[in-house]
Amino acid sequence: LAKTTQPPSMEAYEGQEVNVSCSHTNIATSEYIYWYRQVPHQGPQFIIQGYKDYVVNEVASLFISADRKLSTLSLPWVSLRDAAVYYCIVTATSSGQKLVFGQGTILKVYL
Amino acid sequence: VTLLEQNPRWRLVPRGQAVNLRCILKNSQYPWMSWYQQDLQKQLQWLFTLRSPGDKEVKSLPGADYLATRVTDTELRLQVANMSQGRTLYCTCSAGTGGAQQDTQYFGPGTRLLVL
Repeated sequence: LAKTTQPPSMEAYEGQEVNVSCSHTNIATSEYIYWYRQVPHQGPQFIIQGYKDYVVNEVASLFISADRKLSTLSLPWVSLRDAAVYYCIVTATSSGQKLVFGQGTILKVYL
Repeated sequence: VTLLEQNPRWRLVPRGQAVNLRCILKNSQYPWMSWYQQDLQKQLQWLFTLRSPGDKEVKSLPGADYLATRVTDTELRLQVANMSQGRTLYCTCSAGTGGAQQDTQYFGPGTRLLVL
């Protein structure tokens, strides 16, 4: 399993775009990049996943560097509801269903 | 539509008492069900993954003993015993398709246990 490194915390005001980076220098060719977020007292919520290049959905966009060692989750126009811990997870299906959660990035959003 | 149901959201557990948790799957297209646990202000930690009815696994970790059972295609259970006094433990289940190349897991709302 590739180890990931994220900033421990970030702050933003409502309406701003937030970019959360994740370093995964040892990522294997079989591994995908997943982003989840968790608010207190709730289960993790899937945000987006990708393998390479650029992925976008209705919630966020994900940019993956050409060598796949760095990914950036982009949240446009954050609101108070986006305050959560954001987790970058790198895993392959061969690892089964075991997701390894790191410390994540605590995102604080202010009015 | 909620994929996983877990009730209740909170439980007070008298010291020395075991607790049984249930996780109900609402969509059979995600048959790979798992349990995760999380101590207060700690990282979420995978416990078990059970695919088929009748599957059982046990695990002992610092602070608690766990028994997971896949009861049916749509029900996963977790028994938590011998929890440390004063511990606050969050348990959540997840479900995934078990896809060949990529597999997204979805999590339930979880249950928070407070040991008295």
